[in-house]
Amino acid sequence: GDSVTQMEGPVTLSEEAFLTINCTYTATGYPSLFWYVQYPGEGLQLLLKATKADDKGSNKGFEATYRKETTSFHLEKGSVQVSDSAVYFCALSARNTPLVFGKGTRLSVIA
Amino acid sequence: NAGVMQNPRHLVRRRGQEARLRCSPVKGHSHVYWYRQLPEEGLKFMVYLQKENIIDESGMPKERFSAEFPKEGPSILRIQQVVRGDSAAYFCASSPGTGANTGELFFGEGSRLTVL
Repeated sequence: GDSVTQMEGPVTLSEEAFLTINCTYTATGYPSLFWYVQYPGEGLQLLLKATKADDKGSNKGFEATYRKETTSFHLEKGSVQVSDSAVYFCALSARNTPLVFGKGTRLSVIA
Repeated sequence: NAGVMQNPRHLVRRRGQEARLRCSPVKGHSHVYWYRQLPEEGLKFMVYLQKENIIDESGMPKERFSAEFPKEGPSILRIQQVVRGDSAAYFCASSPGTGANTGELFFGEGSRLTVL
C-alpha cells in the first residue's frame, strides 16, 4: 500500500541554521504530496503542497519540490527561527484516498 | 470560527467507560475523517465518512469503536469499554466533496482521551 517515510527526529538546530527534513514515498500512480506542521497542543496545519512532478510548494520560507524520479518531497528552510519548533509531517494522497502520514519529525530550534 | 470544531478537547475516562468524541466539519464540507495519534507517533487513519455513510473504515478497530456522521449534527466517534491503550489524541479532519477534493484536509485541534 501507499506509505511515507520521513527522517526520524528529534532534530535540534540553532536559530538561522539551514533545515532539511527528508521524505520519500511509495505510491501507485501520481499522488499529491503535503507537509503539515503541528505546534505543541494543537492540530495539524497545512504548510505546503505539490500536486504533480517538479512542482515546488512554498510557504513561510519553507520549500519542497516533488521529485518523481527519486520519489521524494524533502522539506527545506534556509534560516530557521525558534518559532519553527514543531512536529512536521509529510503526507500523500492518492486516488482520492485518505491522507497517509509519515511518523513525523520533531524540530527544536534554540536561540 | 469556520474551522473544524472538536469537543471535548480533553476527556478522562476510567477503564470500561464509554468515550464520545464530536466533530463539526468546516461549513460546506461533506467529508469527515478521523485519525488517532499515539504518543510520539504519527497519525493513523481510522475512518472516512460522508453524510449518513461510512466510506472507508479500514483503520478502525473491529470491536468497541464506531463512527457516524448523521444528516444533521456533528460526526461522532464512539469508543465503548475503553482500555488504557485507547489513550491518545483523536483528530477529526474535513474536506469538500469529490471533485473539489485536492487531497488537502482541514484538521481540528484534537480531543485528548486519557483512560485511567
